[in-house]
Amino acid sequence: EDQVTQSPEALRLQEGESSSLNCSYTVSGLRGLFWYRQDPGKGPEFLFTLYSAGEEKEKERLKATLTKKESFLHITAPKPEDSATYLCAVKAAGNKLTFGGGTRVLVKP
Amino acid sequence: DAGVIQSPRHEVTEMGQEVTLRCKPISGHNSLFWYRQTMMRGLELLIYFNNNVPIDDSGMPEDRFSAKMPNASFSTLKIQPSEPRDSAVYFCASSLRVISGGLAPSNYGYTFGSGTRLTVV
Repeated sequence: EDQVTQSPEALRLQEGESSSLNCSYTVSGLRGLFWYRQDPGKGPEFLFTLYSAGEEKEKERLKATLTKKESFLHITAPKPEDSATYLCAVKAAGNKLTFGGGTRVLVKP
Repeated sequence: DAGVIQSPRHEVTEMGQEVTLRCKPISGHNSLFWYRQTMMRGLELLIYFNNNVPIDDSGMPEDRFSAKMPNASFSTLKIQPSEPRDSAVYFCASSLRVISGGLAPSNYGYTFGSGTRLTVV
């Protein structure tokens, strides 16, 4: 069974204080690792898809990396508008995403 | 594009009543997913369809839950009878599934709707 574990569960940062979120996964035949952002009262919003170890993707202050066992989402010099829950998900055989529990990020000005 | 559209946004119902949640996927997408989100269990896949055909319903909690996709632009998730433990946010998502030659199918961009917050009292 595919498993995804995210850490930490919550993260409080000062504006400008860079940090990283971790997503550890166990899956047979990874076909994609996805990062989503979710704001309160809204659905998850797609950020990145990573397909192979060593791959990196960036979007504004966010950078996602992938190894064979985990993925990191690096937040560089965060701003209050980066406050959200960040969700990691894996896609293996079939067509479904298995999500981790998420990391709630709060960036204080 | 209006994105994935779900209705209603909020639903409050009494235990034992039938509840129907609705979803309109993005035009051109051929895969549709129903997820449930709770604080305790996070996001859980209930069922998904490819080309309107149910492929995996192993996440459907029990027989009280059923889902249909009569055409490419509409899907419903029904709970009958509803129970307080069904209270959660239900999300619908859609994606484009592409099969190219001998390669494994690929999905591009799972897009989620805004969800339906269900409260069963």
